[in-house]
Amino acid sequence: GAGVSQSPSNKVTEKGKDVELRCDPISGHTALYWYRQSLGQGLEFLIYFQGNSAPDKSGLPSDRFSAERTGGSVSTLTIQRTQQEDSAVYLCASSLSQSRDTQYFGPGTRLTVL
Amino acid sequence: AQKVTQAQTEISVVEKEDVTLDCVYETRDTTYYLFWYKQPPSGELVFLIRRNSFDEQNEISGRYSWNFQKSTSSFNFTITASQVVDSAVYFCALKETSGSRLTFGEGTQLTVNP
Repeated sequence: GAGVSQSPSNKVTEKGKDVELRCDPISGHTALYWYRQSLGQGLEFLIYFQGNSAPDKSGLPSDRFSAERTGGSVSTLTIQRTQQEDSAVYLCASSLSQSRDTQYFGPGTRLTVL
Repeated sequence: AQKVTQAQTEISVVEKEDVTLDCVYETRDTTYYLFWYKQPPSGELVFLIRRNSFDEQNEISGRYSWNFQKSTSSFNFTITASQVVDSAVYFCALKETSGSRLTFGEGTQLTVNP
């Protein structure tokens, strides 16, 4: 079946602009996660959704970052007023449920802030 | 707090050599899950294996094998008769059942030379 998909695959933006990154999880997966991979920080957790609610947002680095999930499926990660330190690969993952299931990752969105 | 350490930043071997990637973890939870993911040059994180903390049985899958030792908090990964296609960054990760996130190690870059 289809895996996790993310769009766009690459995004170049200017400092100060807003960006939206999209994630489409595996069909039937109720849990969805966002992670960030950057050279200096490795792989970092950002936020977790169970259905449409986000019980754990503790990894979001600042209030410029927000995310939502609608219909228990597609999720959007929004970064407002982008900064150069936001440049990274943003990875989305999904799992059947939160507690014990394996997280499967999408191909990522490479964000470059000029 | 949970932590995963992959002390080997880079490993270079010649094809057909066996190679072991080390992973050491820290957690206060009594129940947790350990994972290995592969990230080839294409960038996508590919799930390889999941191990439950209550199951210390080692596992073999083709050329891959995993050695889980609770006594030393280690979950090492061995590739037998390595191939050029095994070249990738390998990540070890921990998930506590009390939480939602994966905590990743820094990754080990494996290069298999022909």
